[in-house]
Amino acid sequence: DADVTQTPRNRITKTGKRIMLECSQTKGHDRMYWYRQDPGLGLRLIYYSFDVKDINKGEISDGYSVSRQAQAKFSLSLESAIPNQTALYFCATSRGTANTEAFFGQGTRLTVV
Amino acid sequence: GNSVTQMEGPVTLSEEAFLTINCTYTATGYPSLFWYVQYPGEGLQLLLKATKADDKGSNKGFEATYRKETTSFHLEKGSVQVSDSAVYFCALSHAGNNRKLIWGLGTSLAVNP
Repeated sequence: DADVTQTPRNRITKTGKRIMLECSQTKGHDRMYWYRQDPGLGLRLIYYSFDVKDINKGEISDGYSVSRQAQAKFSLSLESAIPNQTALYFCATSRGTANTEAFFGQGTRLTVV
Repeated sequence: GNSVTQMEGPVTLSEEAFLTINCTYTATGYPSLFWYVQYPGEGLQLLLKATKADDKGSNKGFEATYRKETTSFHLEKGSVQVSDSAVYFCALSHAGNNRKLIWGLGTSLAVNP
């Protein structure tokens, strides 16, 4: 099984619908992140959590919300999806120590029509 | 603030050609530096890292040297293969940024037979 698992892998939804993307990890890491990837824009941080009680906005949090249900679970919600939220979404985990690397899920490709 | 700049792609090479992907950074002190690779349809995975000046990270024939004097961490490979076709991301981690990764925009590499 993958260390970081995202569900669903692909999703098509309509404008205005609420959608939740889920992420679970078996790494035992405290830190979890949600990114979106768009062509030519690299990875942009949406939200991050350093532990279960710590949630922080990233650089592009508008239109998104998150929930850290447990150390191993971090979900991303789009309350009312719009077409420019069409993107590839990644969840990642890491420790907070020096030299730490991030571990990524395989991504969720979301299309809003 | 901290930032990473990497060369724009796409880069197209023939098999067995020499590869260089440039990456420079802006940060105070001594950040940790990383190269990640994203193969088609997959999430990002760590390729190599270096945590102090003059360190050389290496993996799968790829190398990068942490150059404090030029604030660079260029990725090189002496002989690329078709299987190296992917998107490559340079990133840094810095204590002053709570060890969140700061990303370059990615460089797409296509290797032709």
